[in-house]
Amino acid sequence: DTEVTQTPKHLVMGMTNKKSLKCEQHMGHRAMYWYKQKAKKPPELMFVYSYEKLSINESVPSRFSPECPNSSLLNLHLHALQPEDSALYLCASSFAAGGSTDTQYFGPGTRLTVL
Amino acid sequence: RKEVEQDPGPFNVPEGATVAFNCTYSNSASQSFFWYRQDCRKEPKLLMSVYSSGNEDGRFTAQLNRASQYISLLIRDSKLSDSATYLCVVNMEASGTYKYIFGTGTRLKVLA
Repeated sequence: DTEVTQTPKHLVMGMTNKKSLKCEQHMGHRAMYWYKQKAKKPPELMFVYSYEKLSINESVPSRFSPECPNSSLLNLHLHALQPEDSALYLCASSFAAGGSTDTQYFGPGTRLTVL
Repeated sequence: RKEVEQDPGPFNVPEGATVAFNCTYSNSASQSFFWYRQDCRKEPKLLMSVYSSGNEDGRFTAQLNRASQYISLLIRDSKLSDSATYLCVVNMEASGTYKYIFGTGTRLKVLA
């Protein structure tokens, strides 16, 4: 089973709202990732957690706040977003955070619209 | 120079055709290589890992050339259902950690 789940599938929020995206995997993977994808562009890395610790933050604005409560769960807390933050937010996981045998699997994404 | 480069296409090919995509990468210490397929408004799905010895899965063949720093994907007997964007992904070390670096993707449209 190579399943990564994400909730919600769709989210519409105003610029003053606070919301959270959730991601879960039960494959025993120790690395989890958040990506942002705009239309007709490749996924853009935001954050990497390795063994529940934040290992990469790609200079993401503080209105995006990641959290890894345990090795199976990854959250992305959203606050005071801008309309240009509207995108598909993808979660991924892999066994480790790299190396010659590591492989990344993606969840179905949350399509976020900021009004 | 981009870390991972692909021709964005689109490649428009008739059903039954053979089509090949290439992808070049800049970091010679890259660890692992993948092709993902992404359908419109869906998540990327792993198509194949790419090994130095080359690997084949049905109509799909992937090759890695470390000396020239490129990977390729060959699709034989194209089907309408192969229409998608194909993403080249390279796992490489950066600043003491590993990242998966995506190419821009190559759009394929298979025509009836």
